[in-house]
Amino acid sequence: GAVVSQHPSRVICKSGTSVKIECRSLDFQATTMFWYRQFPKQSLMLMATSNEGSKATYEQGVEKDKFLINHASLTLSTLTVTSAHPEDSSFYICSARTGTDPYNEQFFGPGTRLTVL
Amino acid sequence: AQSVTQLGSHVSVSEGALVLLRCNYSSSVPPYLFWYVQYPNQGLQLLLKYTSAATLVKGINGFEAEFKKSETSFHLTKPSAHMSDAAEYFCAVRVLSGGYNKLIFGAGTRLAVHP
Repeated sequence: GAVVSQHPSRVICKSGTSVKIECRSLDFQATTMFWYRQFPKQSLMLMATSNEGSKATYEQGVEKDKFLINHASLTLSTLTVTSAHPEDSSFYICSARTGTDPYNEQFFGPGTRLTVL
Repeated sequence: AQSVTQLGSHVSVSEGALVLLRCNYSSSVPPYLFWYVQYPNQGLQLLLKYTSAATLVKGINGFEAEFKKSETSFHLTKPSAHMSDAAEYFCAVRVLSGGYNKLIFGAGTRLAVHP
């Protein structure tokens, strides 16, 4: 199957700093990418959806100025958590889908665990 | 709005026993339904999906699920549990919102398998 990677797998930062998480599709072109966050023992909550070269569409309640998403190429999307605070600590998972068929399978990355001190 | 509800946040079975993880959906249109598995500190892996072609769907690792419209259910089963099946399982439905097709996940069910 298609492979999606995330980097870093874990990151610890101080409150007030910004953190960038990369998501890459390794063997396919990701027309659409999704970013989810998952709190401990909870489900995945969709944060935003982005198409390559377009601005991301954020879900209700997600601060677009705090969670900056860039999908500049067909193999790379980045999520930047700006001015991170302890409540931003979470497991962030990206997902990628290829092609224009909206029913194509979504492939998930291994996740990035962010801890804000 | 389309959604899925997973009954039982924790399920515990003995090795070799039947696994049954419950998922009910709410949808006014024929749904596209999925089951994913998540191992600790990892992303999600697709187990199987229902896209209206057949009501009984077979997936990887011996799992299968049956779509029952009359019960609005899509329960996941496996005849004989293995220790390696211990993980978190998510039911999901694909919805169209804001011009995008998105996956909406249930709360998840943690499966424990004991010897």
